[in-house]
Amino acid sequence: DVKVTQSSRYLVKRTGEKVFLECVQDMDHENMFWYRQDPGLGLRLIYFSYDVKMKEKGDIPEGYSVSREKKERFSLILESASTNQTSMYLCASSPRGQKDEKLFFGSGTQLSVL
Amino acid sequence: AQTVTQSQPEMSVQEAETVTLSCTYDTSENNYYLFWYKQPPSRQMILVIRQEAYKQQNATENRFSVNFQKAAKSFSLKISDSQLGDTAMYFCAFMKHGNNNDMRFGAGTRLTVKP
Repeated sequence: DVKVTQSSRYLVKRTGEKVFLECVQDMDHENMFWYRQDPGLGLRLIYFSYDVKMKEKGDIPEGYSVSREKKERFSLILESASTNQTSMYLCASSPRGQKDEKLFFGSGTQLSVL
Repeated sequence: AQTVTQSQPEMSVQEAETVTLSCTYDTSENNYYLFWYKQPPSRQMILVIRQEAYKQQNATENRFSVNFQKAAKSFSLKISDSQLGDTAMYFCAFMKHGNNNDMRFGAGTRLTVKP
C-alpha cells in the first residue's frame, strides 16, 4: 500500500522559531506537494517539487521554504514561525505520468505557533 | 489560474437519505480531471471519485456518483443511502491533464449524517 508519512501529528512552537515539517513517501513518486488547510479556505498549495533538488512556488509561498535532497523526502521549513502560520499542514505525492491521476496524502501535521 | 468553489460550508442529511454537494470551477483548459476527496476526523484524505473531463459519462463508485456538466463547469457529488461513516469534510478538486501538475481545492463542505 502507498504510504505518505508526516513526522509529527501535532507540533507546538514559539514565535520566531525555525520549524521543520518532514514528509516521506515510500512509492518512488516524482511529485511532492505541501498544502496548508484552514477552515473556510480549504487546502492551499504552498510549494511543490517535480524532482530532486527542484521546487516550484504554489499560491502562498511567503514565509515558507522547502528542501528536496532525496526523492522520497520533502521538507517544509518555516524560517521564523509566526502565529498566522498556525494551521494544518498536509503533504502529498504523485507519480509522474500516471494513468489514473490522483494525489496520495499524509495524515497531516497540526502546527500551533504560540 | 484555476479556481474551485464550494458554496455550501455545511450540510446535513438523515441516515439512508440522499444528499448532493455542489462544486463549480473556472478554467480555460479543455483536458483536466475533477475529484472529490473525503476527510474524516482521522484527517486522512480519501479519494471518493474521479472524473476525466473528456469523458461524457458521469463517474460512479458504489453509492457515490457525480453530475458533471462541462459547459456549465459544474461537478456535484451525490451520496445515496447516506451512512453515519459518510460524516466528513468533502473537498472538490481540479487538476490539469499532463505531467507535473498540481491539484487545486475548494473550501470544503462539512457533511453530517444524522441517525
